[in-house]
Amino acid sequence: QSALTQPPSASGSPGQSVTISCTGTSSDVGGYNYVSWYQQHPGKAPKLMIYEVSKRPSGVPDRFSGSKSGNTASLTVSGLQAEDEADYYCSSYAGSNGMFGGGTKLTVL
Amino acid sequence: EVQLVQSGAEVKKPGESLKISCKGSGYSFTSYWIGWVRQMPGKGLEWMGIIYPGDSDTRYSPSFQGQVTISADKSISTAYLQWSSLKASDTAMYYCVRGNRYGGNPSDAFDIWGQGTMVTVSS
Repeated sequence: QSALTQPPSASGSPGQSVTISCTGTSSDVGGYNYVSWYQQHPGKAPKLMIYEVSKRPSGVPDRFSGSKSGNTASLTVSGLQAEDEADYYCSSYAGSNGMFGGGTKLTVL
Repeated sequence: EVQLVQSGAEVKKPGESLKISCKGSGYSFTSYWIGWVRQMPGKGLEWMGIIYPGDSDTRYSPSFQGQVTISADKSISTAYLQWSSLKASDTAMYYCVRGNRYGGNPSDAFDIWGQGTMVTVSS
């Protein structure tokens, strides 16, 4: 099993929207609606932002949204704010275990 | 408050054994999956394995199968990650995590994260 594929970096100006992709295969992302997204600020533990493709945990702003098409999942951050600058990781169920993407560093310009 | 509290940082030599712990509180420990995630210095997250403390059902990522052992003692609400012979490449931060659904399954997202245990392996 290889890690899910994410772009290493993404950026946007405050107020703009940015979308981060996460590409897998039919054995993971494409085969299950169990894709989640995590935000990690430097030196901190990750935080769950999206689960089951598009659901938001309580307390996560609705500026964060998730979707999936085929073997690719996406995280969209709308109305970018300075505090959104962080690393973002996707994760997917893969049959009997999970796997993460390589991570995307989001820069707010 | 629901939380996972991990044991402290460790410095070990190659070939030594190690067992780190993760104590859950504020929820029914036996009813949620507990997992372990590795983050090597400056690198991304890696899904290692997961255990259901209620019946000790355990799953491993193929990358970590045979390399580590995950266990849990439900009498003290504590999960463990252990190595029998550490390597320098095991140097990393290790997070314990909780599955997000009551009575869920290995497909759960991780909604609660421990503070992390830094393991350094060096001669």
